[in-house]
Amino acid sequence: DAGVTQSPTHLIKTRGQQVTLRCSPISGHKSVSWYQQVLGQGPQFIFQYYEKEERGRGNFPDRFSARQFPNYSSELNVNALLLGDSALYLCASSFGTSPTDTQYFGPGTRLTVL
Amino acid sequence: AQKVTQAQTEISVVEKEDVTLDCVYETRDTTYYLFWYKQPPSGELVFLIRRNSFDEQNEISGRYSWNFQKSTSSFNFTITASQVVDSAVYFCALIFLNAGNNRKLIWGLGTSLAVNP
Repeated sequence: DAGVTQSPTHLIKTRGQQVTLRCSPISGHKSVSWYQQVLGQGPQFIFQYYEKEERGRGNFPDRFSARQFPNYSSELNVNALLLGDSALYLCASSFGTSPTDTQYFGPGTRLTVL
Repeated sequence: AQKVTQAQTEISVVEKEDVTLDCVYETRDTTYYLFWYKQPPSGELVFLIRRNSFDEQNEISGRYSWNFQKSTSSFNFTITASQVVDSAVYFCALIFLNAGNNRKLIWGLGTSLAVNP
């Protein structure tokens, strides 16, 4: 079975631009979570979606938004990019939102903001 | 406050040595879940183990073993006879339910393990 896939793999943007990152969960998984991982740190929770509804939001500004589609894939949008947004963005899928539902991570999208 | 502390930032060992990665957590919840993930240089986080707060049995999986002790709020991870392929950053994480009854996953800062031949 295919794992979690993310696109693009790498992305270079300039300050002020907007970016859209995409994630396809494991088949059968209905929940997608997004994390930001700055170099040398652990992942920071951004959003969780389940059945197209937002189920959790981390401490990120409104420039960050996301949505989940009927096929459970998801997009993360970041507007008005700042240098500090440069990071590895990880998508994780799980069957549901229960703590016993293990999250499986994709390879990430590395975003560089110049 | 909910918190995960991995005091060891970097560890370097020689192949075949045993190595233990420490994880100490803080939580007010009586029900919680602890995880270990491995992040190799490729960047993808790989799930290793999940343990709930009611199950203090230690677990062994091949060369990997985990020691969960609620009395000391620790969930340590030992690799026996380490190999070069074990070189990665290892993260300990805690799940709890927030005020909205949605789960939140809190991560430690990770321990970078280098296994040298």
